Amino acid sequence: EVQLLESGGGLVQPGGSLRLSCAASGFAFNNYAMSWVRQAPGKGLEWVSGISGSGGSTYYADSVKGRFTISRDNSKNTLYLQMNSLRAEDTAVYYCAKDTREWEVLADRFDYWGQGTLVTVSS
Amino acid sequence: QSALTQPASVSESPGQSITISCTGSSSDVGGYNSVSWYQQHPGKAPKLMIYDVSNRPSGVSNRFSGSKSGNTASLTISGLRAEDEADYYCSSYTSSSTPVVFGGGTKLTVL
Repeated sequence: EVQLLESGGGLVQPGGSLRLSCAASGFAFNNYAMSWVRQAPGKGLEWVSGISGSGGSTYYADSVKGRFTISRDNSKNTLYLQMNSLRAEDTAVYYCAKDTREWEVLADRFDYWGQGTLVTVSS
Repeated sequence: QSALTQPASVSESPGQSITISCTGSSSDVGGYNSVSWYQQHPGKAPKLMIYDVSNRPSGVSNRFSGSKSGNTASLTISGLRAEDEADYYCSSYTSSSTPVVFGGGTKLTVL
């Protein structure tokens, strides 16, 4: 059974940093591109960042470019999102999501999602 | 403003059919067959309903179908049921600097 379990969310002050983790199980993690998708309270979905299965290719939304860094440790089956210079508008539930296809570089269609972790940026 | 445009809300009676539109441009919906649709119930993670414009993942009811014409993709739900009441989001690959974009979402009410 495929499982994605996010952790690391919480309350952080503007300008602060936070690292999210997503522990994956039930599939060949290193074969699949992964993405982070967020949802602000009461709002729609926003794609944030993606990474290839090997970790060699990374992609970012313009809204987070230069502030967020996506990475993965395939030996630990874990996806990460390092978030720096956080702003109030980064407040959201952050989901990790798995692409449907093996060996793709960019995950752009997601068949499994985690339960999400809430990040609140406020003073 | 979302890159893909969806109606904010739609409503229909049980047993009827409804179509939700998702309008983009030649840089996204019109240029690639990478349109997906997701269903999201309150407090839950999204669920993939359609990928590659018209393909259904295993386990998704055949009451859900997808299509595309030009820069507009559509999700059709036939034989509406109470459990179909949810938010629906489209997404697409895009050639812009942000490579994946979502629509703003459509709230479906089954009257």
